[in-house]
Amino acid sequence: NAGVTQTPKFQVLKTGQSMTLQCAQDMNHEYMSWYRQDPGMGLRLIHYSVGAGITDQGEVPNGYNVSRSTTEDFPLRLLSAAPSQTSVYFCASSPPDRGTEAFFGQGTRLTVV
Amino acid sequence: AQTVTQSQPEMSVQEAETVTLSCTYDTSESNYYLFWYKQPPSRQMILVIRQEAYKQQNATENRFSVNFQKAAKSFSLKISDSQLGDTAMYFCAFMIRNTGNQFYFGTGTSLTVIP
Repeated sequence: NAGVTQTPKFQVLKTGQSMTLQCAQDMNHEYMSWYRQDPGMGLRLIHYSVGAGITDQGEVPNGYNVSRSTTEDFPLRLLSAAPSQTSVYFCASSPPDRGTEAFFGQGTRLTVV
Repeated sequence: AQTVTQSQPEMSVQEAETVTLSCTYDTSESNYYLFWYKQPPSRQMILVIRQEAYKQQNATENRFSVNFQKAAKSFSLKISDSQLGDTAMYFCAFMIRNTGNQFYFGTGTSLTVIP
C-alpha cells in the first residue's frame, strides 16, 4: 500500500528555473493539498483540490500553480523559482469524510540557489 | 483568520516520565477537528491523536491523551511513559468542517526524550 508518493525527494534549482513536484495517491481520496514547511513556521497551505478539475488557493499560493486532471495525481508547478521558495514541500490527501486525518507524503526538500 | 500557537519551541523529558505539550488556537468557527501530528527525523508526518470539537470527552490513544478546553481554545497533548522513539517534532493542527479539509498548523514543539 503506497499511500501518498512524492517525487523527487530532493531537488536543487537555479533562480528562474521552473519545475513540477509530483504527487500521487492510491487511496482514491477526493481531497488533496500541498503544504510548505519552513523553519519556525510550521506547515502552510499552498493549494488544495476537492476533486478532479477543482482547485483553490490556500494561504501562500503566489508563485505556484496546480491542476487536478485525475483523482490520483496533484502536481505542483513552480513557474520561476526564487530563493524564497526554498522549503520542504508536503503533499497530503484525505477522503471527504469530515474530521478524517490527512495522509502525508514523505516530502520534497527544494533548494533554490 | 485561523491561528494555532505552540509556545514551547523545545522540550525535553526523561525516559518513562510524563510530558505535556501546549497548544492554543483561535477560530470563529464552531465545527472543527483538532489533531496532533508527530514528525520524526525521517520527515514523515504521523497522526498521533484526533479530537472532534463537538465531543466533550478527551481523546486518548495508548500513552497519548489530550486535554481539550473548548472555551479556552486549548488543546494540550500529554505523553505518558515517554519512550526514546517519541523524540520528534510535534505539531498541533485544526481543520474546519468545510470543503477541502484545509489544515492549519502550529509552529511545532521539538521534543527530546533523554535516556
